[in-house]
Amino acid sequence: EIVLTQSPGTLSLTPGQRVTLSCRASQSVSVAHLAWYQQKPGQAPRLIIYGGTSRATGIPDRFSGSGSETDFALSISRLEPEDFAVYYCQYCGSLAPWTFGRGTKLEIK
Amino acid sequence: EAQLAQSGPEVKKPGESLKISCQASGYGFTNYWIAWVRQMPGKDLEWIGIISPGDSDITYSPPFQGQVIVSADRSLNTAYLHWNSLKESDSAIYYCARFRGGRVASGTYPVAFYGLDVWGQGTTVTVS
Repeated sequence: EIVLTQSPGTLSLTPGQRVTLSCRASQSVSVAHLAWYQQKPGQAPRLIIYGGTSRATGIPDRFSGSGSETDFALSISRLEPEDFAVYYCQYCGSLAPWTFGRGTKLEIK
Repeated sequence: EAQLAQSGPEVKKPGESLKISCQASGYGFTNYWIAWVRQMPGKDLEWIGIISPGDSDITYSPPFQGQVIVSADRSLNTAYLHWNSLKESDSAIYYCARFRGGRVASGTYPVAFYGLDVWGQGTTVTVS
């Protein structure tokens, strides 16, 4: 099983700040099989990044994904009020059962 | 526009059976796989299982193997998640989501090429 560890658990930030969220895999995985999702209270998750670095349809370019092997990151260049949510990374490859990280919550400071 | 419409909230007693649904529209149902994801109250996302409606290829997450049944009806463009005997610990929100994927080799887990790009609104199941 591949374990995805997201850190930190919660971040308190202000709109306009830049943020980088971390997702560490317990073993090396292909960046092609790493995705990021955003979830707001009472809503279904929404795909933000697939293939580690590609933005999903309609996602603004302030979101970017990076990383390789065991270390991946989601960056938001300038936080907008609507970006405050929980972000999950996901492994969706062939090596092992799919897994999600435990999420990082972005809250307004 | 591609959409997944899930069935409404359910309140059940332990030991009862339940089947919830996920109806696809706006795209070719058999061209995408469907994944089921659980979210227990205030908790994280957990992958339950996936099905390819085109050929009924199914894979379960090990903790859910034998606990639920994933199926699909191509004629209705609908995927299902079924329990034969519910437990209180099955209380959660259940999401379906579609993905373009496939198996790279026999015996491996299917791959989502572009992530889970369309999600249903979720079905709340309460077992008490």
